[in-house]
Amino acid sequence: EDKVVQSPLSLVVHEGDTVTLNCSYEVTNFRSLLWYKQEKKAPTFLFMLTSSGIEKKSGRLSSILDKKELFSILNITATQTGDSAVYLCADGGAQKLVFGQGTRLTINP
Amino acid sequence: EPEVTQTPSHQVTQMGQEVILRCVPISNHLYFYWYRQILGQKVEFLVSFYNNEISEKSEIFDDQFSVERPDGSNFTLKIRSTKLEDSAMYFCASSSTLIGTGVDTIYFGEGSWLTVV
Repeated sequence: EDKVVQSPLSLVVHEGDTVTLNCSYEVTNFRSLLWYKQEKKAPTFLFMLTSSGIEKKSGRLSSILDKKELFSILNITATQTGDSAVYLCADGGAQKLVFGQGTRLTINP
Repeated sequence: EPEVTQTPSHQVTQMGQEVILRCVPISNHLYFYWYRQILGQKVEFLVSFYNNEISEKSEIFDDQFSVERPDGSNFTLKIRSTKLEDSAMYFCASSSTLIGTGVDTIYFGEGSWLTVV
């Protein structure tokens, strides 16, 4: 069964710090790995990484995929209080997403 | 920006009652999904739906659950006889292509919070 593990489960930092969130995966037929941000309700899409796109960047957020070591990281630089959320990593199979348990990130002013 | 909309946002129901959760996927999307998240736990896949039939379902999606696309815009999840353990946030989602093709991703609705008492 496909498995996605995120670490740490919880992280508290000060505004302005840089954070790195980790996601490791064990899947039988890798297609894509996705990152979502969940603030109150719906997960909102951040990045999708595939064999042909192993590095993505958007503003202060960036993500890389290491297909050999089977992990991905999400980096957030110059964190702001609005970055406080649960960050979800998911394996994107053909028909469904398999989510990790998420990392709860808290940014203190 | 197009979005997936869900109703109701919150429903309280008595154990054993039937519940229907409604969703309007993004209009040009072809693949539809239901996920759920029990409080404090992972987001879990329930079912995917394409071309008017279920394409994959999880172990959670037993005979008490059913999905339907009654018209060209709505997508519903029915729980026939609710149990206490069905209390969760239910997310509807849609995508224009199969996930993993690198073309598009899944877009989630705001969720329907179901409380079974």
